[in-house]
Amino acid sequence: ETGVTQSPTHLIKTRGQQVTLRCSSQSGHNTVSWYQQALGQGPQFIFQYYREEENGRGNFPPRFSGLQFPNYSSELNVNALELDDSALYLCASSFGQGGSYEQYFGPGTRLTVT
Amino acid sequence: DAKTTQPPSMDCAEGRAANLPCNHSTISGNEYVYWYRQIHSQGPQYIIHGLKNNETNEMASLIITEDRKSSTLILPHATLRDTAVYYCIVHLYNAGNMLTFGGGTRLMVKP
Repeated sequence: ETGVTQSPTHLIKTRGQQVTLRCSSQSGHNTVSWYQQALGQGPQFIFQYYREEENGRGNFPPRFSGLQFPNYSSELNVNALELDDSALYLCASSFGQGGSYEQYFGPGTRLTVT
Repeated sequence: DAKTTQPPSMDCAEGRAANLPCNHSTISGNEYVYWYRQIHSQGPQYIIHGLKNNETNEMASLIITEDRKSSTLILPHATLRDTAVYYCIVHLYNAGNMLTFGGGTRLMVKP
C-alpha cells in the first residue's frame, strides 16, 4: 500500500509568482484535504476535494485554488504569492465524503516566498 | 467544532507513562475526540479517537471523562521517538474531514 506523497519537497518562489504543489493520495482513498502550517503553529485547513469536486473550504482567499483528478491525486495552486504564504503545505487523504476517522498526511512541501 | 485547550509543553522520562491532558468543555454530544501527533518535519499522524468510552490501540490509550469535558492521552512507555507535538481535536463525525488543529502540546521525552 503506497502512502501519501507530495512534490516538490522544497520550493523557493518570489512574491507575486504562482506555484503548483502536487499530492498523490493513498491507494483506495477518494478524498484529499490541503492544510497550511506556518512555523510554530498547527495546520490550518485550506480546502478539501471529494471525487473531483470541492467539498469544503477554510478561511483562505480565492487565489488559493485546487484540482482533483480522476485518479484522486490533487494539486494546490497559489497565485500572486505573498510573503505570508511561506509555510509547510500538507495534504491528507482519506476515504469518503465524511465520517472517516483517520486522515493520512503526506510529508509536506516547504514553500518559501522571498 | 468545539475548541480544545492543551498545555503548550510537557516533559516525560523515557520508559515512563506520558499523560497528555486536553480540555474540551464545550464538546457536543456527537463530537468525537481525536488525537494526532506531528514529529518534527513530518506530516501529522493519527493516533486514536473516541466518543465516550475509553479506547486503547497499539499506540496509546484514550481516557474520556464521564461528562466528556476533558480527556487524557496515555503513552504507556514513552520512548525518545515519541517526542512530538500532540494535537487534541474535537470533530463532528460525518461532517467532512476538515480537522481544526490548535496549538497542541510539545512532548519532550528525555533519557
